[in-house]
Amino acid sequence: SAVISQKPSRDICQRGTSLTIQCQVDSQVTMMFWYRQQPGQSLTLIATANQGSEATYESGFVIDKFPISRPNLTFSTLTVSNMSPEDSSIYLCSVGVAGVGTGELFFGEGSRLTVL
Amino acid sequence: SQKIEQNSEALNIQEGKTATLTCNYTNYSPAYLQWYRQDPGRGPVFLLLIRENEKEKRKERLKVTFDTTLKQSLFHITASQPADSATYLCAASDRGGFKTIFGAGTRLFVKA
Repeated sequence: SAVISQKPSRDICQRGTSLTIQCQVDSQVTMMFWYRQQPGQSLTLIATANQGSEATYESGFVIDKFPISRPNLTFSTLTVSNMSPEDSSIYLCSVGVAGVGTGELFFGEGSRLTVL
Repeated sequence: SQKIEQNSEALNIQEGKTATLTCNYTNYSPAYLQWYRQDPGRGPVFLLLIRENEKEKRKERLKVTFDTTLKQSLFHITASQPADSATYLCAASDRGGFKTIFGAGTRLFVKA
C-alpha cells in the first residue's frame, strides 16, 4: 500500500490565477496519476506523471493548462493555470504500487478547488 | 469511446440484506475490473480487483463477479450495515494495469 498526502486540501481562488497542488507519497512508486472529479461526477484522468520526462496527457487536457512536475519517485505537482469557475473541482493524486501491475490505485484525500 | 456505466440512482436497502451494484462497460475489453469505496470529501479507497480470467472474487462480506460475455461486473455486500453507506465506484484497467477509467458511482444507503 501507499500513503499519499496532498496539499492544499482545499482552496478558494480568484479567476485568472494559478494554483499548484502537491502530492507526496511515503514510498517510491513508478506510476503516479492526476485525476479530476467534478461535482457529482466520476473521476477523469488528467495525466500520468512521468519521473524524469514530460507528463502524458489525456484527450482534452493540455500541458499549458495543467503543467505537471515529477522530480522524483515520491513527489509530484499539478498546477491549474489561469483558472476559471469551470475548473472548480476536486483534484486527486493517485499511485499504482510498483511491482503489482494490476491496476490497483491508492488515492490522496483530494484538493477541493473553488474558483470565483 | 470506452465507457463504464453504473446505476446513477441511489440504492436503498435494509440492514442485514445483500446490496448488489451493477457495472457495465462498452467499447472496451478490460484486463481488470476494480471496485472502490468513496465517502463524502474523501479520496476513493480500493476494495477488490478481479481479473478477466476470473469469474468471482470474495473478500469478507464482499463479492465481485466478472462476466466478459455480458460485459458486466456485479458487486455484492452481504449482511449490509449502516457503515457500508457510501458511493461505490467501478473502474476498469488495461493489461498494463495502470490506465484506469472510472464509472460515475452508485450511492448506497443502508438503513438500520
